[in-house]
Amino acid sequence: DAKTTQPPSMDCAEGRAANLPCNHSTISGNEYVYWYRQIHSQGPQYIIHGLKNNETNEMASLIITEDRKSSTLILPHATLRDTAVYYCIVRSHFGNEKLTFGTGTRLTIIP
Amino acid sequence: GAGVSQSPRYKVAKRGQDVALRCDPISGHVSLFWYQQALGQGPEFLTYFQNEAQLDKSGLPSDRFFAERPEGSVSTLKIQRTQQEDSAVYLCASSLAGTGVYGYTFGSGTRLTVV
Repeated sequence: DAKTTQPPSMDCAEGRAANLPCNHSTISGNEYVYWYRQIHSQGPQYIIHGLKNNETNEMASLIITEDRKSSTLILPHATLRDTAVYYCIVRSHFGNEKLTFGTGTRLTIIP
Repeated sequence: GAGVSQSPRYKVAKRGQDVALRCDPISGHVSLFWYQQALGQGPEFLTYFQNEAQLDKSGLPSDRFFAERPEGSVSTLKIQRTQQEDSAVYLCASSLAGTGVYGYTFGSGTRLTVV
């Protein structure tokens, strides 16, 4: 699976949109972009995934660049409960089943 | 149950002791994974089951680590002769579809401390 690069930490004011970037310049055509988050003392939680089109669900939006070499996870109205480590992962849906986590971005929502 | 359940939540073991960590996946979930998470790091893959078959155990760090899922539901991760470097959070995840297309559901983990 392709390697991803994320900033180690970010701050965001409560109520504002949190935009978390991820670079995956070596992503291949059949690999999806997944985002998980891990709140303190809990297991990782699935947020969203996409292939090349932008995606939105009740938790977040995922914007993938046209060349697919980077993406941005958007939390539209951040709350204190969104403070967590956010992991960007790329993987295919065939063969290799496991998720390969990096060190993620520690997002802190500031009151 | 509604989620993946892991027990115990915390385990303190003396060095050299054997431990067994339990994972109850969501009912009907085909795939089950074990991950190890050291302090300040992302989770690292240990092993993967599809039903009762262990299809990938490439992440198990040594032959002291053993996992089983005999009836394709509950899984146990066993660590023999624990050492201090085994101290970590052990996470279990399951998914309905074989390829986890719609994401995996993780448990809250077992925090193992070897003293």
